[in-house]
Amino acid sequence: EPEVTQTPSHQVTQMGQEVILRCVPISNHLYFYWYRQILGQKVEFLVSFYNNEISEKSEIFDDQFSVERPDGSNFTLKIRSTKLEDSAMYFCASSLDRGGHEKLFFGSGTQLSVL
Amino acid sequence: GNSVTQMEGPVTLSEEAFLTINCTYTATGYPSLFWYVQYPGEGLQLLLKATKADDKGSNKGFEATYRKETTSFHLEKGSVQVSDSAVYFCALVGSGNTGKLIFGQGTTLQVKP
Repeated sequence: EPEVTQTPSHQVTQMGQEVILRCVPISNHLYFYWYRQILGQKVEFLVSFYNNEISEKSEIFDDQFSVERPDGSNFTLKIRSTKLEDSAMYFCASSLDRGGHEKLFFGSGTQLSVL
Repeated sequence: GNSVTQMEGPVTLSEEAFLTINCTYTATGYPSLFWYVQYPGEGLQLLLKATKADDKGSNKGFEATYRKETTSFHLEKGSVQVSDSAVYFCALVGSGNTGKLIFGQGTTLQVKP
């Protein structure tokens, strides 16, 4: 079965540093998402992306965050200046069509630790 | 706003025991409801879903019924196996929304032989 791939599986960074989390969605998918889960808390929606632009974003997704699909295969989440509270598991997901929550494929996540 | 509440974990059961993981939701309109599962080291996988009241989703021996009157979507399995050990997430998508899942906090299930 096709899968969404995320790298790295674990990222450690110093507070104030920029990080880029990488995702390779399923090749024919058109809709892309980032979610995160702070330890012990709920999985939270961050952003959805379609046709090279953000479709929807949550209040968490402030100016420190950005997403990009630089080369037609990768989908990245950048945090410009990390804070301690950005430490979380970040999940990438993709789907073939709009309203595709029934066929939303998730990656295994990147655990971000900000020190 | 929309929200999902799951029972606290971890849940520890012996093999072949009956499983219930409670999930209740708050939403306007007619949401679709889901259970996702995350096995160790893997991504979230859709386990089952229900899109309207009284629908029963089922997969791999797991079941959940969409109860609008009690705003619940409890996950059940009659006889758990060690291989069912995972984290289970209840989630919803509000009516009219696309792709934006609202998750519960997850419930860890550990099944002992």
